[in-house]
Amino acid sequence: NAGVTQTPKFQVLKTGQSMTLQCAQDMNHEYMSWYRQDPGMGLRLIHYSVGAGITDQGEVPNGYNVSRSTTEDFPLRLLSAAPSQTSVYFCASRSGTYVYEQYFGPGTRLTVT
Amino acid sequence: GENVEQHPSTLSVQEGDSAVIKCTYSDSASNYFPWYKQELGKRPQLIIDIRSNVGEKKDQRIAVTLNKTAKHFSLHITETQPEDSAVYFCAATSWGKFQFGAGTQVVVTP
Repeated sequence: NAGVTQTPKFQVLKTGQSMTLQCAQDMNHEYMSWYRQDPGMGLRLIHYSVGAGITDQGEVPNGYNVSRSTTEDFPLRLLSAAPSQTSVYFCASRSGTYVYEQYFGPGTRLTVT
Repeated sequence: GENVEQHPSTLSVQEGDSAVIKCTYSDSASNYFPWYKQELGKRPQLIIDIRSNVGEKKDQRIAVTLNKTAKHFSLHITETQPEDSAVYFCAATSWGKFQFGAGTQVVVTP
């Protein structure tokens, strides 16, 4: 099992550009989440999904879109990048409703200039 | 929503001493409390967790205690070693959503 994978590892964008951060898991997990990590602020939930076709907002959803067409993939879209979105982004997955152990991907370091 | 506070933000300990990190949470519906260790440039990794129906859990040199009445939980690391140096995050889970503390930078000096 590859676990949770993320691409790219690093990305530099100019303000206003768009891009998609990819996340995939091969553990057949129902739940997937996107977090951003900023210095001194821990991890903050952006969006999450409890299964294919079902997504919901987290703590900091503005500026980000998600969709979940398959169990395996959960891409995060930045429609118009802003410097405030400079961060490290982690995708995570867990098995189901009452299984809370969460597995994180390796992260994507995004810089918006 | 849930709010998690974590203290201290930095902790320096001598090798062999104990380290204690404390977290408080606000939502009484929170029922799962994990602790993650994150080394520089790496992903967070679960090191221990506790559910709301348990008061204490141990795994070798690490232990977690939970006081539901006071809404706080703590991570205890005994006999610290240099490889324990990392950032540690607590989290509280309410209705399946994870709220993380801001993290504690632990430095173990030989």
